[in-house]
Amino acid sequence: KAGVTQTPRYLIKTRGQQVTLSCSPISGHRSVSWYQQTPGQGLQFLFEYFSETQRNKGNFPGRFSGRQFSNSRSEMNVSTLELGDSALYLCASSLGDRQGGQPQHFGDGTRLSIL
Amino acid sequence: KNQVEQSPQSLIILEGKNCTLQCNYTVSPFSNLRWYKQDTGRGPVSLTIMTFSENTKSNGRYTATLDADTKQSSLHITASQLSDSASYICVVSLNSGNTPLVFGKGTRLSVIA
Repeated sequence: KAGVTQTPRYLIKTRGQQVTLSCSPISGHRSVSWYQQTPGQGLQFLFEYFSETQRNKGNFPGRFSGRQFSNSRSEMNVSTLELGDSALYLCASSLGDRQGGQPQHFGDGTRLSIL
Repeated sequence: KNQVEQSPQSLIILEGKNCTLQCNYTVSPFSNLRWYKQDTGRGPVSLTIMTFSENTKSNGRYTATLDADTKQSSLHITASQLSDSASYICVVSLNSGNTPLVFGKGTRLSVIA
């Protein structure tokens, strides 16, 4: 079974630009969550999508947005990029059943660098 | 404020030795606690998930314990191997679902020959 796939693996942008990151979950998984990982803050939850609907959202500004398609693939968009947005962006998928905790399967992330 | 604190921040041990990593949390309402292993340049991989009623859970040489009364968890690694070198992240889940999750900043473990 293929794992979670994130593209691209690396990305360099300049301040003020926007960027779209992509995540393909494990087949059959309906929940996709996004996280930002930086050396100073560690992993921080951005948002979760389930069946094309945002189910939970972290404390990030509105410049960070996402969506999920009918095939469960998800995209994350960051507009008006700032230097502080440089980070590893991780996507994780799970079955999505809310009964109890389920392991989340992470992709290897997209490393975003802002110049 | 919901927080997860891990200690130590980093640890160096000799191959074959055991070690224990600590996690204290102040998260409410608590649903479950997870330990992840993250190799450099890779995404985290789930090691264990424990709910409120579970005290211990093992995954091979990894054993996690949970004391919900004191809000403490530990991850014990037995007979360490060079491949255990990684960051170990403690994560607490709020409510009954998978999110939102509160992450610790991790313990960086280096196993040397």
